[in-house]
Amino acid sequence: EVQLVESGGGLVQPGGSLRLSCAASGFTFSGFWMTWVRQAPGKGLEWVANINQDGSGKYYVDSVKGRFTISRDNAKNSLFLQMNSLRAEDTAMYYCARGAGADYWGHGTRVTVSS
Amino acid sequence: QTVVTQEPSLTVSPGGTVTLTCASSTGAVTSGYYPNWFQQKPGQAPRALIYRTSNRHSWTPDRFSGSLLGGKAALTLSGVQPEDEAEYYCLLYYDGAQLRVFGGGTKLTVL
Repeated sequence: EVQLVESGGGLVQPGGSLRLSCAASGFTFSGFWMTWVRQAPGKGLEWVANINQDGSGKYYVDSVKGRFTISRDNAKNSLFLQMNSLRAEDTAMYYCARGAGADYWGHGTRVTVSS
Repeated sequence: QTVVTQEPSLTVSPGGTVTLTCASSTGAVTSGYYPNWFQQKPGQAPRALIYRTSNRHSWTPDRFSGSLLGGKAALTLSGVQPEDEAEYYCLLYYDGAQLRVFGGGTKLTVL
């Protein structure tokens, strides 16, 4: 059974940093692109970033370029999102999803940016 | 700034048929945009329904079908069930499939 479990969310002040993790199981992690998607409270889905199988290709939505970094550790079946210079508008539920097409999703981890 | 547009809300009667659409600010949506569709119910994570325009996932009921219609991607629900009441999002690929943009979502009410 495919499982994706996000962690690392929390309350952080504007300008601060957080590192989100996504633990994957039930499939060959190294064989899939991986994706981060976020959803601000009461709003729609926003694609944030994705990464190819070996981590050599990384793509971001414009609003996070230069602040967020997606990475992966295939030996540990884990996906990461390093978020720096956080802003209030980054407040959202963050989901990791399998594949470039996001066929399986985790339950999300909540990030709140507030002073 | 690329914008993907969906109907904000639609209402359908149980047993009826409804079509949701997904338009791109860049022009006609083609299969090269690899349209995907997702369903999200309140308090839940999204669930994938359709990939690459018209392909159902193994868990997707066959009353859901995807297509291209009049320059847009489309999701048609036939024989709508009460449990289909949800928010539906499309996702399109851009820039050689490196970037993705979600539509704003359609709130489907079954009434």
